[in-house]
Amino acid sequence: DAGVIQSPRHEVTEMGQEVTLRCKPISGHNSLFWYRQTMMRGLELLIYFNNNVPIDDSGMPEDRFSAKMPNASFSTLKIQPSEPRDSAVYFCASSRQGDGYTFGSGTRLTVV
Amino acid sequence: AQKVTQAQTEISVVEKEDVTLDCVYETRDTTYYLFWYKQPPSGELVFLIRRNSFDEQNEISGRYSWNFQKSTSSFNFTITASQVVDSAVYFCALSEAGRGGATNKLIFGTGTLLAVQP
Repeated sequence: DAGVIQSPRHEVTEMGQEVTLRCKPISGHNSLFWYRQTMMRGLELLIYFNNNVPIDDSGMPEDRFSAKMPNASFSTLKIQPSEPRDSAVYFCASSRQGDGYTFGSGTRLTVV
Repeated sequence: AQKVTQAQTEISVVEKEDVTLDCVYETRDTTYYLFWYKQPPSGELVFLIRRNSFDEQNEISGRYSWNFQKSTSSFNFTITASQVVDSAVYFCALSEAGRGGATNKLIFGTGTLLAVQP
């Protein structure tokens, strides 16, 4: 099992640019989560999906953030336009009916 | 609302000492799950344990042990004979059971940074 796969591992972009983070969950997992980790706010949930349907997006900071899950094997988190305060590590996790939450290696985003 | 509190921000011990990381949680649900994750300096989140609310038995795995007490809403984690490789940030987390077996969100505490000195 390859685990949860996130890409890219590192992203450096200029303020105002669009950023797209990608996640491939573990096959057979029916839930997918996007988290953001910063020193100030710790690990915060942005959005999660059950069976490809968004269930709770109350953690999405503002309209600049959007997430999609077009099928069971792929999800994207998009920031447009990006700002320096979006700099963080973004984690994707997947789960099968709450058995356990497996996290990807994260994407370290730096917006300059 | 669900909440996880890890009051210890940082702990420093010398190798071979025992150390306990505290975790207190809040939830209105009777069915929930508690977790511990380890985040080493490399940054990944490593799953350590999952415990459901109906199982209060303490668990031991090698040098790791967990003490779950519903009466005090605590799920503490003890490392016996700590080693330098145990140095990491440790997160306690809570998930309430979803309806119909659906997965619910995982809420994290703020983490405890454990530094084990040689």
